Amino acid sequence: NAGVTQTPKFRVLKTGQSMTLLCAQDMNHEYMYWYRQDPGMGLRLIHYSVGEGTTAKGEVPDGYNVSRLKKQNFLLGLESAAPSQTSVYFCASKRDTITTTNEKLFFGSGTQLSVL
Amino acid sequence: GQNIDQPTEMTATEGAIVQINCTYQTSGFNGLFWYQQHAGEAPTFLSYNVLDGLEEKGRFSSFLSRSKGYSYLLLKELQMKDSASYLCAVSELTGGGNKLTFGTGTQLKVEL
Repeated sequence: NAGVTQTPKFRVLKTGQSMTLLCAQDMNHEYMYWYRQDPGMGLRLIHYSVGEGTTAKGEVPDGYNVSRLKKQNFLLGLESAAPSQTSVYFCASKRDTITTTNEKLFFGSGTQLSVL
Repeated sequence: GQNIDQPTEMTATEGAIVQINCTYQTSGFNGLFWYQQHAGEAPTFLSYNVLDGLEEKGRFSSFLSRSKGYSYLLLKELQMKDSASYLCAVSELTGGGNKLTFGTGTQLKVEL
């Protein structure tokens, strides 16, 4: 069981370039999340999805877009990268159902993104 | 909104016991999580508390007092591999469902 898989692991972009981060989970989880982690800031939620075809904004959504066309995949896009988006990005998923609504998160291994 | 406080750094000796505190302020408390994150790796789940009291899981225990807005993670018989960041995360029930907010983490260094 692979769990949550993120690609790529590292990426360097120039300001203004675009890219897409891919997150895939094989646990049939409904909920998926994209976080960024910066020193001294903790994990901050960018966007999330509560099921296939749904997306919603988190705490810091500006400059990012997401799509959840298939239940197992959650894509994070940067249309025009900025140096402020230099960060470590984590994807996560959880099982949550109608009767169990506070399940633990399973995280991917992270993507180190540098924007020059 | 939520305000979560935990110490930035702690140092402890191998074989000892260490307690990492987390205080929070929230209007719709719905549970508290502890995650462990080794350098360069993903966070992994350690414990979950939603009712007052102590939850024990091997060398790790987590305590919650909802009235005080306080939790702690207790690590016993410390090992070098316990050197990691420990993240406190508070779940809050909102109109849109559960909202999870992470603290900035406590970096624990275990020394010989």
